[in-house]
Amino acid sequence: NAGVTQTPKFQVLKTGQSMTLQCAQDMNHEYMSWYRQDPGMGLRLIHYSVGAGITDQGEVPNGYNVSRSTTEDFPLRLLSAAPSQTSVYFCASSYGDGTGELFFGEGSRLTVL
Amino acid sequence: GENVEQHPSTLSVQEGDSAVIKCTYSDSASNYFPWYKQELGKRPQLIIDIRSNVGEKKDQRIAVTLNKTAKHFSLHITETQPEDSAVYFCAASRGYQKVTFGTGTKLQVIP
Repeated sequence: NAGVTQTPKFQVLKTGQSMTLQCAQDMNHEYMSWYRQDPGMGLRLIHYSVGAGITDQGEVPNGYNVSRSTTEDFPLRLLSAAPSQTSVYFCASSYGDGTGELFFGEGSRLTVL
Repeated sequence: GENVEQHPSTLSVQEGDSAVIKCTYSDSASNYFPWYKQELGKRPQLIIDIRSNVGEKKDQRIAVTLNKTAKHFSLHITETQPEDSAVYFCAASRGYQKVTFGTGTKLQVIP
């Protein structure tokens, strides 16, 4: 099992550019989520999904879109990048059966100039 | 929505001493309280969790306590070792969805 795989690991964007962070898991997890991690602010939930075709907003959804067409994939789209979106992004998944443990990807470090 | 506060933000202890990290939560319906450890440059990983029907849980040198009435929970690490140095995050949620994290505690264990 590869677990949760995120790509790219590093990305530099210019303000206004768009991009997609990819997340894939091979554990047949129903629940998937995206967090951003900023110094002193912990991990903040951007969007989450409880299954294919179902997504919902988290704490800081503005400027981001998600979709969940398959159980395995949960891409995060930045529509028009802003310097405030400079952060480390983590994708995390869980079985969704009440066991609760989140399995994180390695993270994607995004810099917006 | 849920709000989780975590203290202290940094903590230095001598090797062999105990470390305690405290968190409070706002949503009385939250029933799942995990703790994650994040080593420098790595991903967060679950180290222990507790559910609202349990007051205390222990796993070797790590223990968590939960006070539902006061809406606070704590992580206790005994006999600290240098490899315990990391950032620790508490979190709370209703079930497994929308897990809300605290702001983290950077623990430094001094040899």
